[in-house]
Amino acid sequence: DTGVSQNPRHKITKRGQNVTFRCDPISEHNRLYWYRQTLGQGPEFLTYFQNEAQLEKSRLLSDRFSAERPKGSFSTLEIQRTEQGDSAMYLCASRPGTMNTGELFFGEGSRLTVL
Amino acid sequence: GENVEQHPSTLSVQEGDSAVIKCTYSDSASNYFPWYKQELGKRPQLIIDIRSNVGEKKDQRIAVTLNKTAKHFSLHITETQPEDSAVYFCAASLNQAGTALIFGKGTTLSVSS
Repeated sequence: DTGVSQNPRHKITKRGQNVTFRCDPISEHNRLYWYRQTLGQGPEFLTYFQNEAQLEKSRLLSDRFSAERPKGSFSTLEIQRTEQGDSAMYLCASRPGTMNTGELFFGEGSRLTVL
Repeated sequence: GENVEQHPSTLSVQEGDSAVIKCTYSDSASNYFPWYKQELGKRPQLIIDIRSNVGEKKDQRIAVTLNKTAKHFSLHITETQPEDSAVYFCAASLNQAGTALIFGKGTTLSVSS
């Protein structure tokens, strides 16, 4: 098992363009999370999936953000009409469905720069 | 929703000293409190966690204490070493399906030799 995989690792785009990030969780993990992290801040929760169901979404999440996990395996996070304020590291994390294990396993992240 | 405050934002200690980082949370229903360490350019990784039915937990040089009445918990690192230098994040959640882990803003710990 290679852990949580994210790509692309870096994305530079112009304001107004759409971008999509992909996350492949650890294979037996049915819970998947997206976080955003800016410099000097803690990870900020965006959304959460259990299998293919999106169970929770941050109220801070703009309508320009959408996430999917169509088959309960990999997930995508799309940002439409990007703005400079969207520049951040986008982290994906997964964890098993068992109640006794609370640990989140993070990927290396996808760094977005909006020019 | 849950809100987690973390202090201090930066902490500098000499090698061998102890370091303490404190967090408060707002949702009295939260029952799971992990601590993550993030080295520069790396992903956050769990170092220790505690559940609300326990007041203290130790793992070698690190320990976490929890005061549910006051809604605060702390990370204690003893005999600090240069490799302890990193950003530390506390977090809180209801450890059940459909509940996100909410993080504090982090503490940058610098251990000088």
